[in-house]
Amino acid sequence: DAGVIQSPRHEVTEMGQEVTLRCKPISGHDYLFWYRQTMMRGLELLIYFNNNVPIDDSGMPEDRFSAKMPNASFSTLKIQPSEPRDSAVYFCASSKPGQGAETQYFGPGTRLLVL
Amino acid sequence: SQKIEQNSEALNIQEGKTATLTCNYTNYSPAYLQWYRQDPGRGPVFLLLIRENEKEKRKERLKVTFDTTLKQSLFHITASQPADSATYLCALSSSGNTPLVFGKGTRLSVIA
Repeated sequence: DAGVIQSPRHEVTEMGQEVTLRCKPISGHDYLFWYRQTMMRGLELLIYFNNNVPIDDSGMPEDRFSAKMPNASFSTLKIQPSEPRDSAVYFCASSKPGQGAETQYFGPGTRLLVL
Repeated sequence: SQKIEQNSEALNIQEGKTATLTCNYTNYSPAYLQWYRQDPGRGPVFLLLIRENEKEKRKERLKVTFDTTLKQSLFHITASQPADSATYLCALSSSGNTPLVFGKGTRLSVIA
């Protein structure tokens, strides 16, 4: 199994630009999570989906952030417009309840730097 | 508000010793507690899960305890090795279908 795939691995952009992060969960997993990690705040949940439906987006910091999951094998996290304080590592994770599903499998992350 | 605290940001120990990391929580009733390992530049990797009705779980050189009265979990690595150097995160969830809440982690350095 290839594991959770994220792209790009690194992104450098200028303030005000749109940023799109992509995630492919593990095949057969029906939960998908987006996290943000910073030194100050640690790993924070932004939003999660179950069967492609957003369940809880209360962690999304502002309206500038949006996430979609058009099908079971793809999700995007978009920031528009981006700001320097959005600089962080963004992780996608997936899990499948019912089979030790409390365990989450993380992707390698996207390191975002907004100048 | 819910709070998860890991005892220290960094812990240094000598190779061969037992490393003990602490995770304390408040205003939370977790059904599950998990420990993850994170290496620099990589995503967290699951290590162990312990349920609220379990006191202890072991996996090779790893041992986790869970005390719901003290609201604390201890994570032990016996016979530590330099390869064990990483950041260790504890995470809680109230059910199998609710998201995990993570602590900030403890960075462990095992010195040869």
